[in-house]
Amino acid sequence: AQSVTQPDIHITVSEGASLELRCNYSYGATPYLFWYVQSPGQGLQLLLKYFSGDTLVQGIKGFEAEFKRSQSSFNLRKPSVHWSDAAEYFCAVYLAGNQFYFGTGTSLTVIP
Amino acid sequence: DVKVTQSSRYLVKRTGEKVFLECVQDMDHENMFWYRQDPGLGLRLIYFSYDVKMKEKGDIPEGYSVSREKKERFSLILESASTNQTSMYLCASSLLQGHGYTFGSGTRLTVV
Repeated sequence: AQSVTQPDIHITVSEGASLELRCNYSYGATPYLFWYVQSPGQGLQLLLKYFSGDTLVQGIKGFEAEFKRSQSSFNLRKPSVHWSDAAEYFCAVYLAGNQFYFGTGTSLTVIP
Repeated sequence: DVKVTQSSRYLVKRTGEKVFLECVQDMDHENMFWYRQDPGLGLRLIYFSYDVKMKEKGDIPEGYSVSREKKERFSLILESASTNQTSMYLCASSLLQGHGYTFGSGTRLTVV
């Protein structure tokens, strides 16, 4: 079955440390790939997206993500985490002619 | 910026009531979506619409219906609310299929 997997349910990092959130998908073709962030009590905000071309994409709030076709992965990274980055992060994929599929999310806690 | 407005942030309804969740977007987007979000399950698609008067079932349409009489408005209807419909409901819109969504802030519905 086609799916989007975020293997880490919860991650805790220290403020100033680097961050990597994992996302894997299982589709035959390369889908469009997205990362969203959801602050408590809020809707989802688009961080970045990948359609084609350069496999390293830059997003808002200092985030970036790298598409690796060989690993079917689209991991989200940030070199130095801020306390305001504490939120839930969702990976999503879109396959042409189909619909969006979201991962189950990774909750990020930032400790001082 | 596109704005997607959900009329209520919090709702408490009784079992068996008919519930309307309203969503309005202000950027002439063709595509609109309703998701529910539950801990550990991520976002699940209830219904979507690619045009006025058009609706398609998503992954979990049972117990729900929708209405799209005008392009900017997409309503989710719970014909007879049940306690297992207690959830966060998120509306989203997009200009083109496969492009990133813009989400509303969500409606947290509690059915008692």
